[in-house]
Amino acid sequence: AQSVTQLGSHVSVSEGALVLLRCNYSSSVPPYLFWYVQYPNQGLQLLLKYTSAATLVKGINGFEAEFKKSETSFHLTKPSAHMSDAAEYFCAVSDTFYNQGGKLIFGQGTELSVKP
Amino acid sequence: DGGITQSPKYLFRKEGQNVTLSCEQNLNHDAMYWYRQDPGQGLRLIYYSQIVNDFQKGDIAEGYSVSREKKESFPLTVTSAQKNPTAFYLCASSIVGKSADTQYFGPGTRLTVL
Repeated sequence: AQSVTQLGSHVSVSEGALVLLRCNYSSSVPPYLFWYVQYPNQGLQLLLKYTSAATLVKGINGFEAEFKKSETSFHLTKPSAHMSDAAEYFCAVSDTFYNQGGKLIFGQGTELSVKP
Repeated sequence: DGGITQSPKYLFRKEGQNVTLSCEQNLNHDAMYWYRQDPGQGLRLIYYSQIVNDFQKGDIAEGYSVSREKKESFPLTVTSAQKNPTAFYLCASSIVGKSADTQYFGPGTRLTVL
């Protein structure tokens, strides 16, 4: 069965510092991987997704993620944090071969705080 | 503007009552989804539908029901059988419901049982 683990339920960085949010997945088949962002009391917005075209994926708002098969990881990074990046971030996985209607499995989420 | 609307934004229910959450999309997407979000647990899939008049149970369907009579609408009913319904409910849609498709989310409905 597929699963996603996000290491750290809460991450705090200073404005201008590197953002690193960790995501590890478990899948018996090549996965599709997604990062979403959620601001308080709002829906989720897609940051980026991996669909096997390239291992380094660039997304919106300066975020990027690298797919590492050997480490089963898909960590999200941003070189310089901005106050507006404070939000909750979710990593999600879906399978490639057993199409179950695009079913996404989400991690528990990581809340990012940015200090001035 | 194309998008997904959910109503109401906040909903209060007494124990023993059924309530229906609305989800409408004008993106012309075939697939629609309902998720439940609880603090520290991420999102869990309740039901999904890939085509009109057809839907499948997700991981936590007990105590919920859905219908898909129109392509743009996918209402969720929280029944009195759902033991702990207080949560944030999110509706999503995607083009055809394949694994690589991006799911687009609505703004959510926060349900509180009094």
